[in-house]
Amino acid sequence: GAVVSQHPSRVICKSGTSVKIECRSLDFQATTMFWYRQFPKKSLMLMATSNEGSKATYEQGVEKDKFLINHASLTLSTLTVTSAHPEDSSFYICSALPPAGLSYEQYFGPGTRLTVT
Amino acid sequence: KQEVTQIPAALSVPEGENLVLNCSFTDSAIYNLQWFRQDPGKGLTSLLLIQSSQREQTSGRLNASLDKSSGRSTLYIAASQPGDSATYLCAAKSAYSGAGSYQLTFGKGTKLSVIP
Repeated sequence: GAVVSQHPSRVICKSGTSVKIECRSLDFQATTMFWYRQFPKKSLMLMATSNEGSKATYEQGVEKDKFLINHASLTLSTLTVTSAHPEDSSFYICSALPPAGLSYEQYFGPGTRLTVT
Repeated sequence: KQEVTQIPAALSVPEGENLVLNCSFTDSAIYNLQWFRQDPGKGLTSLLLIQSSQREQTSGRLNASLDKSSGRSTLYIAASQPGDSATYLCAAKSAYSGAGSYQLTFGKGTKLSVIP
């Protein structure tokens, strides 16, 4: 199947700093990418959907100024957590969708564990 | 709004047993349903994807079924092994009027432990 990578896999940062997480589709062009957040013992919650070259669309309750998403190319999307606080500590997973017609399956990255101290 | 429920939340079985994991969804108008495996601290591994027009999919010891009318899917694991221990998530893809044309809604998962 298609491969999606995330970097870094783990990051620890101090409260008030910003952290950038990268999501790459390695062997296909992703017109749409998704960012999810997973709390312990909870479902994956969709944070935002981004289409290449346009602004991301955020789910209700997700602060767009705090979670900056950039989808500058067909293989790369970034999530920047700005002015991070301990409550932002979580597992962040990205997902990429190939162009329609090739597959309707979303491919998921391995996740990034963010810890804010 | 689509809601996905997985029962049980946790399951412990002895090695070699066959087992069934259950997934139910409230909106039967789905495009597809997907089963994933998640190991602790790791991302998602896609196991099986069933399109809305299909009844089941098989891969090795895994068999997933889909009954759209009743809003149910099951994941059958034959001859379980300790290496099968993980959390299993199901996700339903359905129409969504929000950010995109559809949304993938996840259940909370079933944590499976296979005892040697």
